[in-house]
Amino acid sequence: EAGVAQSPRYKIIEKRQSVAFWCNPISGHATLYWYQQILGQGPKLLIQFQNNGVVDDSQLPKDRFSAERLKGVDSTLKIQPAKLEDSAVYLCASSLAPQGTYEQYFGPGTRLTVT
Amino acid sequence: GENVEQHPSTLSVQEGDSAVIKCTYSDSASNYFPWYKQELGKRPQLIIDIRSNVGEKKDQRIAVTLNKTAKHFSLHITETQPEDSAVYFCAARVDNDMRFGAGTRLTVKP
Repeated sequence: EAGVAQSPRYKIIEKRQSVAFWCNPISGHATLYWYQQILGQGPKLLIQFQNNGVVDDSQLPKDRFSAERLKGVDSTLKIQPAKLEDSAVYLCASSLAPQGTYEQYFGPGTRLTVT
Repeated sequence: GENVEQHPSTLSVQEGDSAVIKCTYSDSASNYFPWYKQELGKRPQLIIDIRSNVGEKKDQRIAVTLNKTAKHFSLHITETQPEDSAVYFCAARVDNDMRFGAGTRLTVKP
């Protein structure tokens, strides 16, 4: 089966600019996750969707980050305005369901550099 | 929320030796514990997982043990090979909340 797709793979922006990332989960996967992985650290969950509803966004910096999954399939994550500390790899993952099938499949990530 | 600590942060072993990575978690309600391998510049990939109703699980050279009382779980890799070199992440999940450890960089020297 096709894996989780993400684009772009790399992005370089200046601080205070805006950026958006796109994710297409594995077909049929109801649950979609966005993680932030800072160099040398483990992935940190930013937001979790179940279909098009938000399940958990407790760690999302809502003053600058936003995410949507309007039709319950693709998702976009936006940062506006970006800060230097937002430099990280943004990983999208999907799973069939949060509890029924636990395995999360990760996409290749988008490496963001904020200068 | 859940807090996961992982040790050591770096581990270097000789090819053929065993490697052990340990994680502790804080929330006794956690019921799912996956381990991911992440090679440089690549996505994390699940290598083995264990659920809270199981104490040990093995898959060829990889095994995971879980001690619910002590709230810790470990990854064991036997007969290590150079291609095992990567960063390994443990994670613990309670309800919808999955928390990852900081990672262990494993280097297997030929």
